[in-house]
Amino acid sequence: QVHLVQSGAEVKKPGASVKVSCEASGYTFTSYALHWVRQAPGQRLEWMGWINTGTGNAKYSQNFQGRVIITRDTSASTAYMELSSLRSVDTAVYYCARAAKGSSGYFLYYFDNWGQGTLVTVPS
Amino acid sequence: SFVLTQPPSVSVAPGKTARISCGGDKIAETGVHWYQHKPGQAPLLVIYYDSDRPSGIPERFSGSKSGNTATLTISRVEAGDEADYYCQVWDPSSDHVFGTGTKVTVL
Repeated sequence: QVHLVQSGAEVKKPGASVKVSCEASGYTFTSYALHWVRQAPGQRLEWMGWINTGTGNAKYSQNFQGRVIITRDTSASTAYMELSSLRSVDTAVYYCARAAKGSSGYFLYYFDNWGQGTLVTVPS
Repeated sequence: SFVLTQPPSVSVAPGKTARISCGGDKIAETGVHWYQHKPGQAPLLVIYYDSDRPSGIPERFSGSKSGNTATLTISRVEAGDEADYYCQVWDPSSDHVFGTGTKVTVL
């Protein structure tokens, strides 16, 4: 059974950075891409970026370019999302999500498993 | 950038049918996926590529698409279906985009 377990809630000061982890189990970590999605209070889900866990290559949403870094540690089956220069508007629940994979081995464009979410609070 | 528009809310009586729309340019050209999101829980995939249902999702959940509007239909609604529902697509210029979300209230 696939499990994505995220690190606990964080409270950060404006201007600081936060690093959220996502530990995967129940499947071969390097065979599936992992994405990061956030939801601010009262807002829609917002895609932040993704990492090819096999190669380590990451791609980011233009909305977060320059502020987000996604990495992974294959020995720990864990992906990380670090967001810097935090502002109060970054207060949100951050989710990791696994991209589905087709029978041909290509990554598909939807998310079949999600982490439980990590609340990051940046007081104003 | 790509925008997906959903009705803010849908109210439905138990046992009836709820229909949630998702509209946007180019929806006709790409697959639409739907998630159920309950407070404090992880989002749950309920429909992928317009109308396919993951294993474990009840047949009461179905999806369709016509032109630039996709629709999630929940038949024989139950109290446990109360949640926020989001559509999602992938677009080459916008990457992954989620809809504005629809709160389904079971009366």
